[in-house]
Amino acid sequence: AQKITQTQPGMFVQEKEAVTLDCTYDTSDPSYGLFWYKQPSSGEMIFLIYQGSYDQQNATEGRYSLNFQKARKSANLVISASQLGDSAMYFCAMREDQNFNKFYFGSGTKLNVKP
Amino acid sequence: GAVVSQHPSRVICKSGTSVKIECRSLDFQATTMFWYRQFPKQSLMLMATSNEGSKATYEQGVEKDKFLINHASLTLSTLTVTSAHPEDSSFYICRAASSYEQYFGPGTRLTVT
Repeated sequence: AQKITQTQPGMFVQEKEAVTLDCTYDTSDPSYGLFWYKQPSSGEMIFLIYQGSYDQQNATEGRYSLNFQKARKSANLVISASQLGDSAMYFCAMREDQNFNKFYFGSGTKLNVKP
Repeated sequence: GAVVSQHPSRVICKSGTSVKIECRSLDFQATTMFWYRQFPKQSLMLMATSNEGSKATYEQGVEKDKFLINHASLTLSTLTVTSAHPEDSSFYICRAASSYEQYFGPGTRLTVT
């Protein structure tokens, strides 16, 4: 089974609106971490936000928040007040504590912000 | 500033030649280095994992004699694409990790003509 699933190959959002990028995961490890990365056309992987499996609250970092629903095994990224510079590929990733340094990546979502 | 650097950022080489890509951790000691390749509009594909001072562990389907990985120190890992062919053209990106932190390098775009 896929460890990380991103079902939206591409998304459009109007500038200044909010957008949710979906991510579901599969693990039997009770301790794990979930990451979101942004990859602009330059190729660099930009860390956005992290959620630990035992974190009680949803992670937030500026305009980014992670809607963590543990029972549903989902970790959706919410970007508020979209900006043109948010246009990029977004990857969801998971790390299981039993293999701390290994990352599992989703297939990515291409976000296009329209002016 | 950047915590992990890669050099070169872009390289064009002729078919049959070898290319070396360096990945350096600048502010921390990377006990483990991960090398990925990424084709356009696709996700990152893990090629190999290397621990400092040990031989790299390659993922299934990755030719270890073609993609030579060296991790001789806690701050430097190299990936050498030997006898490169056009199908090796790709974006190569490293990730450096310690017990407490991990960072991606900025990537290297390889074009083989």
